[in-house]
Amino acid sequence: EPEVTQTPSHQVTQMGQEVILRCVPISNHLYFYWYRQILGQKVEFLVSFYNNEISEKSEIFDDQFSVERPDGSNFTLKIRSTKLEDSAMYFCASSGSGMTWEQYFGPGTRLTVT
Amino acid sequence: AQTVTQSQPEMSVQEAETVTLSCTYDTSESDYYLFWYKQPPSRQMILVIRQEAYKQQNATENRFSVNFQKAAKSFSLKISDSQLGDAAMYFCACALNTDKLIFGTGTRLQVFP
Repeated sequence: EPEVTQTPSHQVTQMGQEVILRCVPISNHLYFYWYRQILGQKVEFLVSFYNNEISEKSEIFDDQFSVERPDGSNFTLKIRSTKLEDSAMYFCASSGSGMTWEQYFGPGTRLTVT
Repeated sequence: AQTVTQSQPEMSVQEAETVTLSCTYDTSESDYYLFWYKQPPSRQMILVIRQEAYKQQNATENRFSVNFQKAAKSFSLKISDSQLGDAAMYFCACALNTDKLIFGTGTRLQVFP
């Protein structure tokens, strides 16, 4: 069964460093998303991406964040200068196959900023 | 703007028994989708069940079923014949077709043998 994959599973970085989180969505999906979940809290939307451009972004998704689909398979989230409060689980999701629009999530990348 | 509310931070159930998790939502749209996701300790988000708002029939997936009350904006999840593997966080979510998912705060379900 097709699935969304994410790498790395865990990333530790120092404050101020840049990180790139990688995702490979399900191959025939058209819509891509990033969410984050701070430990013990609910899942929050960051950004959605369709047709090679951002379709919506949340207040969290400020100038420190960017997304890219550099080729036909990868979808990346870059955080330019990480802050302690960026420590969270980051989930990639994709949808767009069929009529029901459900989003399938990857296993997540746990980002720890020290 | 949409909101999703889960008023039960924690629930518990005996193995083989039935439990219902509550969810209410608010949206001004008439066409939307509702979902329940399960998050086990691994923190993977697993889709449990979905409901299209235009469908009157409640969705069912094996031991999981929903009670969708559109007028009341209520979307509860019923788990029948509970199993130890059902223990997890359960998140209710709402989306307008390809738009972002709006999640509730989650309900932690414990299953006792």
